[in-house]
Amino acid sequence: GAVVSQHPSWVICKSGTSVKIECRSLDFQATTMFWYRQFPKQSLMLMATSNEGSKATYEQGVEKDKFLINHASLTLSTLTVTSAHPEDSSFYICSASPVLSPYEQYFGPGTRLTVT
Amino acid sequence: KQEVTQIPAALSVPEGENLVLNCSFTDSAIYNLQWFRQDPGKGLTSLLLIQSSQREQTSGRLNASLDKSSGRSTLYIAASQPGDSATYLCAVVDSGNTPLVFGKGTRLSVIA
Repeated sequence: GAVVSQHPSWVICKSGTSVKIECRSLDFQATTMFWYRQFPKQSLMLMATSNEGSKATYEQGVEKDKFLINHASLTLSTLTVTSAHPEDSSFYICSASPVLSPYEQYFGPGTRLTVT
Repeated sequence: KQEVTQIPAALSVPEGENLVLNCSFTDSAIYNLQWFRQDPGKGLTSLLLIQSSQREQTSGRLNASLDKSSGRSTLYIAASQPGDSATYLCAVVDSGNTPLVFGKGTRLSVIA
């Protein structure tokens, strides 16, 4: 149980285009989902906290107009990287906290984004 | 603001050795602490989760301890194997529906 999926697992896009990454909790409902970014040989850095039905809370330095987050249901959150640039190339990982166990978090397998 | 530090940043050991990875956190008011493993280019694999009321957790050759009052945790790996080579991340959560705060990890190489 407690499985989180991400789609796609990897994506290559051209500079200037937008890319949408999906994060789904497959067997539980998640009030809160988190989006992290990881650059090579670095640790995970929190980008934003996403709560179902409300606007996401972004960490300092993360552009909310560039990284659009939508959490329309208790099992799905999406991250859209708009007008992607090569410096946005990174590994994006989501996690989800179950409604019934808010102190636990389950991580998706990550999405590798490469912007050319 | 919670900060998590992991020492050492990198470690190389010969196969068979027992080893200890260290994690410290600045705010002892945590709810739980978790150790993860990450292979290159891959996602996170949860290894052990220790609730704040617990002192240690064990899984196979892995043992994690928690000293909440001093803000420290250790991950002990017994009889290391080349397959243990990975980056090990320590993370804490302070309360419900809040993000994990991660350390920068320890890159472990076990040499056959």
